[in-house]
Amino acid sequence: DAKTTQPTSMDCAEGRAANLPCNHSTISGNEYVYWYRQIHSQGPQYIIHGLKNNETNEMASLIITEDRKSSTLILPHATLRDTAVYYCIVRPNNAGNMLTFGGGTRLMVKP
Amino acid sequence: NAGVTQTPKFRILKIGQSMTLQCTQDMNHNYMYWYRQDPGMGLKLIYYSVGAGITDKGEVPNGYNVSRSTTEDFPLRLELAAPSQTSVYFCASSYHNQETQYFGPGTRLLVL
Repeated sequence: DAKTTQPTSMDCAEGRAANLPCNHSTISGNEYVYWYRQIHSQGPQYIIHGLKNNETNEMASLIITEDRKSSTLILPHATLRDTAVYYCIVRPNNAGNMLTFGGGTRLMVKP
Repeated sequence: NAGVTQTPKFRILKIGQSMTLQCTQDMNHNYMYWYRQDPGMGLKLIYYSVGAGITDKGEVPNGYNVSRSTTEDFPLRLELAAPSQTSVYFCASSYHNQETQYFGPGTRLLVL
């Protein structure tokens, strides 16, 4: 399985965009990039996923580089409630594959 | 929909005791999963099921058992609790394995 590398922690000012990077240099052609987050003491929450095109939904945008070796999750207007651990996960697209959670990035949104 | 529900929310066990962690989903999902999360760490997959009557081991299955008699329920059994099983346990479900996983609120287990 491809592995991911994320910064351990990041800070962001409330109302500003939060840009969370993820390196997945060994990703293979049929592997998707997923982002989940975990707010303290809660179960993980799905945010967004993509294969090679940029994606946007009501929560965030996902920018994947052309070579697919890295991606960035963008929270356009971070709020205090976005303080959480954000997990970037590369997931093989075959039966029986499961989410593999690494350490994630602890995002602290500050007033 | 209630989504994924887990009971109990918190439990203290003595070494050697047994217990069952309950997980139910009302979204008619085929796939269900059990993860554990140790303090400050990411989640690790214990067991998963691709449908009623079918289960398989994940990354850390030792010390646990599961069953899947219905689509809705996926209980996790600890037969002989050990301090190493102190953790937060999350159940999740998805319609297909490539689809989004929805997580329950978790069960905090302390083994003393």
